[in-house]
Amino acid sequence: QKEVEQDPGPLSVPEGAIVSLNCTYSNSAFQYFMWYRQYSRKGPELLMYTYSSGNKEDGRFTAQVDKSSKYISLFIRDSQPSDSATYLCAIDNGQNFVFGPGTRLSVLP
Amino acid sequence: DAGITQSPRHKVTETGTPVTLRCHQTENHRYMYWYRQDPGHGLRLIHYSYGVKDTDKGEVSDGYSVSRSKTEDFLLTLESATSSQTSVYFCAISESTGVLYGYTFGSGTRLTVV
Repeated sequence: QKEVEQDPGPLSVPEGAIVSLNCTYSNSAFQYFMWYRQYSRKGPELLMYTYSSGNKEDGRFTAQVDKSSKYISLFIRDSQPSDSATYLCAIDNGQNFVFGPGTRLSVLP
Repeated sequence: DAGITQSPRHKVTETGTPVTLRCHQTENHRYMYWYRQDPGHGLRLIHYSYGVKDTDKGEVSDGYSVSRSKTEDFLLTLESATSSQTSVYFCAISESTGVLYGYTFGSGTRLTVV
């Protein structure tokens, strides 16, 4: 079983929509969870991280962890065309970061 | 990307030839990583380094070797390139371990093995 799994999409939404991106992970011992954003032909960049359970908000972005379900989510409010990118979830397994395959998001004007 | 440079950006090579990719950082970070990114698999760790001459294997290390003789440079070598190694290779650096430090990624090297 992979340590982290993610629906690869692609996902297309109209500008202004609320976007929900999701991942599942396998080991309930994982404590740290991250979201990276990757624009086309660029390296990933850290968007935000959360510790353990609960929500973390940063502007239009909210990261949520549900440890009982081993489920992590990223919500984007008022999505913009500039949000079009691939979003990768990642977990810290204590040795290094393990990344999901990414969900490609397109926000259409 | 500030502080981290990968070279070359693109390379086409023939099956069976050795290939070396270079990652150079100006941040003086201790940790350096090589990942490959493929559709459906995402980023997979090949090798990483936790100091000069200190390296370890990742998830997909077969067919790859690394060297780190200086803090700023981390080299990835494909000993005898195969078509299955066609991929986009990313280098990442980190000051320390853990999410508080995060990874900073380079812009990638697109390698095609024909």
